[in-house]
Amino acid sequence: ETGVTQSPTHLIKTRGQQVTLRCSSQSGHNTVSWYQQALGQGPQFIFQYYREEENGRGNFPPRFSGLQFPNYSSELNVNALELDDSALYLCASSFPLTNEQFFGPGTRLTVL
Amino acid sequence: SQQGEEDPQALSIQEGENATMNCSYKTSINNLQWYRQNSGRGLVHLILIRSNEREKHSGRLRVTLDTSKKSSSLLITASRAADTASYFCATDGSGANSKLTFGKGITLSVRP
Repeated sequence: ETGVTQSPTHLIKTRGQQVTLRCSSQSGHNTVSWYQQALGQGPQFIFQYYREEENGRGNFPPRFSGLQFPNYSSELNVNALELDDSALYLCASSFPLTNEQFFGPGTRLTVL
Repeated sequence: SQQGEEDPQALSIQEGENATMNCSYKTSINNLQWYRQNSGRGLVHLILIRSNEREKHSGRLRVTLDTSKKSSSLLITASRAADTASYFCATDGSGANSKLTFGKGITLSVRP
């Protein structure tokens, strides 16, 4: 088990709503990355935060946004939910130079 | 877009046999990592191999990397039923953004 935790475990929302997912990084890790994993696919990079600043973003629209806090925990916010946003959302923490990323258990989001 | 392509897509073996999984990628990399995922849960980090390394071992795992062919293989020796899972390779490129790019994964079934 890694020291990365995520909440909530499962979430059901309806189209158009907004959602906030949370992640606590492993002790000592100051970099957090978020990934979206659709059913039967590999994870897709959403964005990364390093020292509270966004440090790279994948091919996701602006309604996907994030924050990193001074204690290196992080949030992923998704506005105006669409059916295709239904997926497993994974966060991973790492040291910036090693890039050995350790993943949390994920949040399963279902959009109806 | 997917950088890594794992091969085969699915593999079924008997307990005690060896399992070999392959991954090919398209662009230059810094590191290549292998992860395991059980039943849509979080990813478990297995091993990281750097671009200047050719082979690495960890317990029953052996990973090779051939940067000239842009390919890697993961060998699990003496497989166990508990090895049943999906396996992903992930690459990260050069530059400040250390995002991981995943393939679609290999489903390994180990029959008792």
